[in-house]
Amino acid sequence: EPEVTQTPSHQVTQMGQEVILRCVPISNHLYFYWYRQILGQKVEFLVSFYNNEISEKSEIFDDQFSVERPDGSNFTLKIRSTKLEDSAMYFCASSGQERTEAFFGQGTRLTVV
Amino acid sequence: AQSVTQLDSQVPVFEEAPVELRCNYSSSVSVYLFWYVQYPNQGLQLLLKYLSGSTLVESINGFEAEFNKSQTSFHLRKPSVHISDTAEYFCAVTRRDNYGQNFVFGPGTRLSVLP
Repeated sequence: EPEVTQTPSHQVTQMGQEVILRCVPISNHLYFYWYRQILGQKVEFLVSFYNNEISEKSEIFDDQFSVERPDGSNFTLKIRSTKLEDSAMYFCASSGQERTEAFFGQGTRLTVV
Repeated sequence: AQSVTQLDSQVPVFEEAPVELRCNYSSSVSVYLFWYVQYPNQGLQLLLKYLSGSTLVESINGFEAEFNKSQTSFHLRKPSVHISDTAEYFCAVTRRDNYGQNFVFGPGTRLSVLP
């Protein structure tokens, strides 16, 4: 069964450093998303990406965040200068043309120290 | 904009008892509705979804949910829970059209099944 894969599973970084979280969505999907979940809390939408551009973003997705689909298979989330409050589980998801389901990866646990 | 409410943050229930997890949503346009489950230290897995047709939808592991348009609800039920059902359950919606493409999640309900 096709799946969304995320790497790394866990990343520890120092405050102020840049991090790149990587995702490989399901191959024939057209919509790509990043969500985050602070430990034990709700699943928060960050950004959606369609047709090689951002289609929607939340207030959380400020200038410190960017997304890219560099090569037609990977979908990355970059945090330019990490803060302690960026510590969370980051989930990538993708869906097909009809958006009748979002398929989630297993997540990357980002710890900022 | 869409929003999802899950009034019960935690639901403890004994094994083999029935359970209902409540979900209400708000939207000015038609939506698709979903329940996702998250087991400890794992990602989100789709449990079931309502797209159209019969308002009662079922999952392979005994859960069911009923879409009620007049009450804007999509409550999740199971007649007899198992220890293995212990997890976090998230209700979610997305617009049917393409003007808002993200999936909006509720705050989640932590189901704890007690022996």
